[in-house]
Amino acid sequence: QTVVTQEPSFSVSPGGTVTLTCGLNSDSVSPSYYPSWYQQTPGQAPRTLIYNTKTRSSGVPDRFSGSILGNKAALTITGAQADDESDYYCVLYMGSGTMMFGGGTKLTVL
Amino acid sequence: EVQLLESGGGLVQPGGSLRLSCATSGFTFSNYVMSWVRQAPGKGLEWVSGISGSGGSTYYGDSVKGRFTISRDNSKKTLYLQMNSLRVEDTAIYYCVSVDTAMAAFEDWGQGTLVTVAS
Repeated sequence: QTVVTQEPSFSVSPGGTVTLTCGLNSDSVSPSYYPSWYQQTPGQAPRTLIYNTKTRSSGVPDRFSGSILGNKAALTITGAQADDESDYYCVLYMGSGTMMFGGGTKLTVL
Repeated sequence: EVQLLESGGGLVQPGGSLRLSCATSGFTFSNYVMSWVRQAPGKGLEWVSGISGSGGSTYYGDSVKGRFTISRDNSKKTLYLQMNSLRVEDTAIYYCVSVDTAMAAFEDWGQGTLVTVAS
């Protein structure tokens, strides 16, 4: 069974840099999986941050960046702010019209 | 401004049925793949189903295959999800989401509608 893996939780200091990752238990993540990233705060609908590995969605600050690091997709937040404290989800395109979410990373800024 | 407004959620008994709707505006609906994504209470996001712009192709996650049917009415700019044989584990907020087909990424999200399956 294919599983998209993410760190369950992460913490970063205000102003610091953090990199969240998105992997596959059965393969290396490459741009062909079209990795995308979403931010969700409690009680709110998700917001699209990054798509196609590294393209920022409209209105997303440039402190958010996407990349491939080794065999995983990565979301880096540079200069973390208090309101970046959220849940972050990655999505991979698995082919044949199907998409798969990672389990999400709860980011704490403290 | 893009708007996606879900409706049709509510309380239903196990084994029952429910149909969700998503009324859209602010974009060319028929040009977009559309999806349903759900989130169980306190849990992560799960892709449920997708449908091509024409409605000719449909896609389902393993957990709902054979029980849920996605459809669309492009003349009404509305997306649907018919949910049959509902289980307690289908309890979730269901989000209607537009999909950037070329980039295989979710683009705009509705606010969601809550489906509760309980006796």
